[in-house]
Amino acid sequence: GAGVSQSPSNKVTEKGKDVELRCDPISGHTALYWYRQSLGQGLEFLIYFQGNSAPDKSGLPSDRFSAERTGGSVSTLTIQRTQQEDSAVYLCASSSLNEQFFGPGTRLTVL
Amino acid sequence: GEDVEQSLFLSVREGDSSVINCTYTDSSSTYLYWYKQEPGAGLQLLTYIFSNMDMKQDQRLTVLLNKKDKHLSLRIADTQTGDSAIYFCAESTVSGGYNKLIFGAGTRLAVHP
Repeated sequence: GAGVSQSPSNKVTEKGKDVELRCDPISGHTALYWYRQSLGQGLEFLIYFQGNSAPDKSGLPSDRFSAERTGGSVSTLTIQRTQQEDSAVYLCASSSLNEQFFGPGTRLTVL
Repeated sequence: GEDVEQSLFLSVREGDSSVINCTYTDSSSTYLYWYKQEPGAGLQLLTYIFSNMDMKQDQRLTVLLNKKDKHLSLRIADTQTGDSAIYFCAESTVSGGYNKLIFGAGTRLAVHP
């Protein structure tokens, strides 16, 4: 596609439920990143994929967070047993060389 | 660890120049970036500079890098209302094809008539 797309654009869930967030990177980009942006904050790195493997998962805040990437393309970020502090905008980026191109994000609200 | 700091808010009059400042701590940074985020939108890459450069100009945008002081600035000439947004500074170190960005908290630019 022309750019990075993410779905859903908004997700409201109840505390304790699991959620899945999807990222479709730019075609041909092998590197993919997930970030989290909490209200009024900068972006916090979560995880990096090179192809289907994740050499750096150091930013995942807890074991409730996991991510996978299949076919070197689509990635899914899963949050289990969501908590209110998980409420944020989750941004995905794909990269070619030195530039990261961001998707519009998924706004997650945990009630 | 790495840290990037920015002032949180800047207000300018339409037509004036805006200067947004950023400091970072990682002396091994390879690239430094400026991203723009408009309300409800994702991040748009505005420009970036390689760490061995002092300046980069792109139309109304001028990036200055003082590597000794670890200080980066973004100057927007002839600021317009459409420039109102949050501007994020980010630094990265490229290692093995991996380019993890460390972001500042963002500077909210408000442009008034």
